[in-house]
Amino acid sequence: DAKTTQPNSMESNEEEPVHLPCNHSTISGTDYIHWYRQLPSQGPEYVIHGLTSNVNNRMASLAIAEDRKSSTLILHRATLRDAAVYYCILMDSNSGYALNFGKGTSLLVTP
Amino acid sequence: GAGVSQSPRYKVAKRGQDVALRCDPISGHVSLFWYQQALGQGPEFLTYFQNEAQLDKSGLPSDRFFAERPEGSVSTLKIQRTQQEDSAVYLCASSSKGGPSEQYFGPGTRLTVT
Repeated sequence: DAKTTQPNSMESNEEEPVHLPCNHSTISGTDYIHWYRQLPSQGPEYVIHGLTSNVNNRMASLAIAEDRKSSTLILHRATLRDAAVYYCILMDSNSGYALNFGKGTSLLVTP
Repeated sequence: GAGVSQSPRYKVAKRGQDVALRCDPISGHVSLFWYQQALGQGPEFLTYFQNEAQLDKSGLPSDRFFAERPEGSVSTLKIQRTQQEDSAVYLCASSSKGGPSEQYFGPGTRLTVT
């Protein structure tokens, strides 16, 4: 399985943008890039996913490098409720269904 | 709308006891997943159902773990002769179709084996 690398932790000030990086240098052409987050004492929550083009939704934006070896999840204005562990996950469009979460990035948001 | 629900939310079992954890997926969702999350770690895949068929059980850690989804909706994860290393949060997720579509998670069941 293609693997991802994320920083263990990041810190942001409230109401500022946050850029969460993810490296996936062994990504294959059929891998989608998914992001989930997990707030304390809750189950994971889907955030966004993409294949090649940048994606936007109400929660976040996903910027994908042209060579697809890295991506960045962008939270445009961090709030205290965005403090969570963020997971970058590759899913194979041909056969993937199980999520391989890894360790993720723990985001701390300070007022 | 109603999301994925799990019961019980908390379960304490003595070592050697059997436990059954229930998952009610979102109505109409075809796929159902079980994950195990140890303290401080990311969730790890246990097993996957498409309707009533268990298509992958490669993540189940031992033959003490058994999952079923007999009518293609509610699922039960059963752990026989619980051990201390089974202590974890057990998460259930469902998705509307097969393949790499987004998964919706329940709140989990925290199992503590004493």
